[in-house]
Amino acid sequence: AQSVSQHNHHVILSEAASLELGCNYSYGGTVNLFWYVQYPGQHLQLLLKYFSGDPLVKGIKGFEAEFIKSKFSFNLRKPSVQWSDTAEYFCAVANSGGYQKVTFGTGTKLQVIP
Amino acid sequence: EPEVTQTPSHQVTQMGQEVILRCVPISNHLYFYWYRQILGQKVEFLVSFYNNEISEKSEIFDDQFSVERPDGSNFTLKIRSTKLEDSAMYFCASSDLSGSRHEQFFGPGTRLTVL
Repeated sequence: AQSVSQHNHHVILSEAASLELGCNYSYGGTVNLFWYVQYPGQHLQLLLKYFSGDPLVKGIKGFEAEFIKSKFSFNLRKPSVQWSDTAEYFCAVANSGGYQKVTFGTGTKLQVIP
Repeated sequence: EPEVTQTPSHQVTQMGQEVILRCVPISNHLYFYWYRQILGQKVEFLVSFYNNEISEKSEIFDDQFSVERPDGSNFTLKIRSTKLEDSAMYFCASSDLSGSRHEQFFGPGTRLTVL
């Protein structure tokens, strides 16, 4: 069974600080990896995804993530956060091929202080 | 840009009552899903649906739950006799068939409150 671990439950940063949110997954086969964001009172939105190819993936709003297969990791990064990045971030994994059941991590609440 | 829509946005019901949550997936999508998020917890997979039948369901999806695609556009989740612990945000998602890249698009969710 696939599983996802997010190491940080709550992160507080000042504006312009750099961000890195950890994510590790467990799955025996080929995976597709995602980061979703949920702004307060809003629904899940896809930040970025990895299916294959370049392990450094760039997403919306200046976010990027790096897939390191040997470490089963897919950490999310942003060089300089803004107050508007305050949200909850979910790492997710799905098996490649056929229909996909997406398994989510527990989420990381990011609070950016102006 | 096409999007998944869900109605209602908030449903309040009494314990033991039946509820139907409605979703309109993106029109050319073939795979449909329901997830739920209990307040303060992670998003959990409930069920996937393809070709008019359930593809996979989690242990949460017991006999009280059912899904249906009653016509070409709607996808519904029915809870027959709601319990307090069914209170959660329910997300519908859909994906298309494009190789193995089944990116799921999520709807805005229905907040279900069981009293």
